Amino acid sequence: QVQLVQSGAEVKKPGASVKVSCKASGYTFTGYYMHWVRQAPGQGLEWMGWINPNSGGTNYAQKFQGRVTMTRDTSISTAYMELSRLRSDDTAVYYCAREGVSNSGYDFLLDWGQGTLVTVSS
Amino acid sequence: DIQLTQSPSFLSASVGDRVTITCRASQGISSYLAWYQQKPGKAPKLLIYAASTLQSGVPSRFSGSGSGTEFTLTISSLQPEDFATYYCQQLNSYPQTFGQGTKLEIK
Repeated sequence: QVQLVQSGAEVKKPGASVKVSCKASGYTFTGYYMHWVRQAPGQGLEWMGWINPNSGGTNYAQKFQGRVTMTRDTSISTAYMELSRLRSDDTAVYYCAREGVSNSGYDFLLDWGQGTLVTVSS
Repeated sequence: DIQLTQSPSFLSASVGDRVTITCRASQGISSYLAWYQQKPGKAPKLLIYAASTLQSGVPSRFSGSGSGTEFTLTISSLQPEDFATYYCQQLNSYPQTFGQGTKLEIK
């Protein structure tokens, strides 16, 4: 079965960077885009972007441009999301999510990691 | 950016009730809409995609409809495990966006 297993919780100081990993199993890693979505405490979901694990191509939300970098290591079926210049309002649970696409071309977020809590505090 | 507005934001209902949640888009998104269920401390779970297609394994009491700018998620007969927060998501254009969520509570 498909599994996305994320790295553990992180505590960072303002201005630092964090790198979250997402290890995929149970499917062909390079066959599906990987998205990243975050959720601040008690708040809703916020889309950050995706990476194409096959080509390494990325698409970031404008809000995060210049601060986020999504990469992958196909040899270990792992995607990464690095966020730099952290601020207190970056405190959130960060999720990776595998994209699915229907036969008629509609996409959706099919499988999700368990989430990684990143706390930014001085 | 396309804004999605869900209504209501909070909903109190009883087991066996029929409930409907609405998601309105600030501009047309065809049928590029998905619905997710999230329980406390858990990742979201896909319920419906392409506005009305039920994800495999999701109970048939869940249904979705709509296109363009107005969409609905209906639960025909609430079960105890359905009390959760529900989100819509548009995948028509970037950045993809989510509604603010609808928290469904037990009356």
